[in-house]
Amino acid sequence: DMKVTQMPRYLIKRMGENVLLECGQDMSHETMYWYRQDPGLGLQLIYISYDVDSNSEGDIPKGYRVSRKKREHFSLILDSAKTNQTSVYFCASSSRQGRSDYTFGSGTRLLVI
Amino acid sequence: GDSVTQTEGQVALSEEDFLTIHCNYSASGYPALFWYVQYPGEGPQFLFRASRDKEKGSSRGFEATYNKETTSFHLQKASVQESDSAVYYCALGETSSFSKLVFGQGTSLSVVP
Repeated sequence: DMKVTQMPRYLIKRMGENVLLECGQDMSHETMYWYRQDPGLGLQLIYISYDVDSNSEGDIPKGYRVSRKKREHFSLILDSAKTNQTSVYFCASSSRQGRSDYTFGSGTRLLVI
Repeated sequence: GDSVTQTEGQVALSEEDFLTIHCNYSASGYPALFWYVQYPGEGPQFLFRASRDKEKGSSRGFEATYNKETTSFHLQKASVQESDSAVYYCALGETSSFSKLVFGQGTSLSVVP
């Protein structure tokens, strides 16, 4: 079953707490992504990972870091969460051979209070 | 850098109306162009793509033609249904990065019976 799985689906955190968002894929895709989605702004790229331990900043990396120790798993970490990081976070994966057809997860809705 | 602009933030139609969602891009070279669709509570799904001038992409009754002269990739459907209500994203594959997609702001389509 080809899919991207995100956990958790919903998360409420207090300002200053650490946040861990998990993403897994079962397609052996080399490339994985973290996006955030905000009204009127569309999808903004936070980080891209080309493979294990090969990560690059996207367009809005400030306040975030990532970890990819296995090809099928990609984590997004918010150290000391801020209220402006309240958003919907999407993970996606793609194959280099597929020329950028992304498969997205269902998202994690994060509320920082 | 490369960018995508969707003119309409929201579109409201009745069933069987004709749909056009405008998408214009700014990029060097020949980027690949994409349409993604996002239903409520889900992640975006790949709809179709086009990779060269005058190529038509299509899926599920939706279509768009790559126009390099006008730098456009407008989404059209002849007769929309209530089930087409969703957010539609235009995207381009950056010529400088094999895997990176740049998304437009998204257009929310609402179709009433």
